Amino acid sequence: GENVEQHPSTLSVQEGDSAVIKCTYSDSASNYFPWYKQELGKRPQLIIDIRSNVGEKKDQRIAVTLNKTAKHFSLHITETQPEDSAVYFCAASMSFMDSNYQLIWGAGTKLIIKP
Amino acid sequence: DVKVTQSSRYLVKRTGEKVFLECVQDMDHENMFWYRQDPGLGLRLIYFSYDVKMKEKGDIPEGYSVSREKKERFSLILESASTNQTSMYLCASSLGNSLQYGYTFGSGTRLTVV
Repeated sequence: GENVEQHPSTLSVQEGDSAVIKCTYSDSASNYFPWYKQELGKRPQLIIDIRSNVGEKKDQRIAVTLNKTAKHFSLHITETQPEDSAVYFCAASMSFMDSNYQLIWGAGTKLIIKP
Repeated sequence: DVKVTQSSRYLVKRTGEKVFLECVQDMDHENMFWYRQDPGLGLRLIYFSYDVKMKEKGDIPEGYSVSREKKERFSLILESASTNQTSMYLCASSLGNSLQYGYTFGSGTRLTVV
């Protein structure tokens, strides 16, 4: 089955600097890689995702890159702001029962933005 | 917007009580999931369901059971609550044949067993 590893577990960056969170996965059949943000006391919410036919995707200050050969993908946040402080989860898709899919999650990264 | 609603935000129960956590989604999603979230341990899958009356064990099913009698509702049951089940419980739902929209999570139920 799929296994997703996420690093680092905690990341502290100065406001305005960039932050990078990395994930690796084991199942070469995985084809969908979302990132979720969970602010304190709130539900995880999808912030960006990427599919296996794309190498990079950007949405304003956040971007995700995917290297299928190496089986790793990364979240990049530029010009970090206090509201970026949260726990970030990566995930990779895994198929079951032929045509159904579920997500396998990384352990999460607590991002702290220092003022 | 897809909405996933968990019946209680906070719950306090006594050891040995039978506890029901309810989750309802309104977008006709096939898949529903129950996770437990503890500090530093990420999202751990307890059970999931891909159809009415169908269920599959996740990574930590011990001490839990589930029920899915209707497509929109997925219940997590703690048959005899114990203090080590004190945690945040998150429900999620998704389409079955596509992850186009990822998962949608409920707001969570913080359960304290005393």
